[in-house]
Amino acid sequence: DTGVSQNPRHKITKRGQNVTFRCDPISEHNRLYWYRQTLGQGPEFLTYFQNEAQLEKSRLLSDRFSAERPKGSFSTLEIQRTEQGDSAMYLCASSQPGQDRDTQYFGPGTRLTVL
Amino acid sequence: AQSVTQLGSHVSVSEGALVLLRCNYSSSVPPYLFWYVQYPNQGLQLLLKYTSAATLVKGINGFEAEFKKSETSFHLTKPSAHMSDAAEYFCAVSFQNTGFQKLVFGTGTRLLVSP
Repeated sequence: DTGVSQNPRHKITKRGQNVTFRCDPISEHNRLYWYRQTLGQGPEFLTYFQNEAQLEKSRLLSDRFSAERPKGSFSTLEIQRTEQGDSAMYLCASSQPGQDRDTQYFGPGTRLTVL
Repeated sequence: AQSVTQLGSHVSVSEGALVLLRCNYSSSVPPYLFWYVQYPNQGLQLLLKYTSAATLVKGINGFEAEFKKSETSFHLTKPSAHMSDAAEYFCAVSFQNTGFQKLVFGTGTRLLVSP
């Protein structure tokens, strides 16, 4: 069990560029979550997958954001036409239903800076 | 509305003193409750959780929390602070009407420990 991993750890981009982040969950976990954390705030829920199905999306997830989990393993979060307001830490978590009461375990996060 | 509140954005203690971080939730039915810790530029680490079993929950690093339904609280305590406890602490809840999946976080409390 290597834990949840996220890549890259840091991303600096210019406004208007597209960025993509990757999350690899704990191997036996079939639920995967994305959260966004801005400076001085707690994380906010963005979306979650059960296997490859995206079951819920927050209204925070504008049409510039898209998340996928094509084979029910790793997930990607893409932001198109980035804006300065997208600067934040993007956190991924995974859990297993019925195990540990679906407790979510978090990765180290990807810090995005939009210039 | 279902929510979670952390009183005090900063708490300062001396090394060896009692740590008390406050968390209150708003819900008509008892939720699942979690405390996570975040060190600078890192993800969230689970400290402990309440998922409807024992109301006094012991976690890692000597922390514990007590679920009090009558007070809708889940305060985090540690008898004796250590310098390494300095970090940001987040209380989080999940609610039955969302299948206990989506976590709602408080705004966090930064714990400062002085020698």
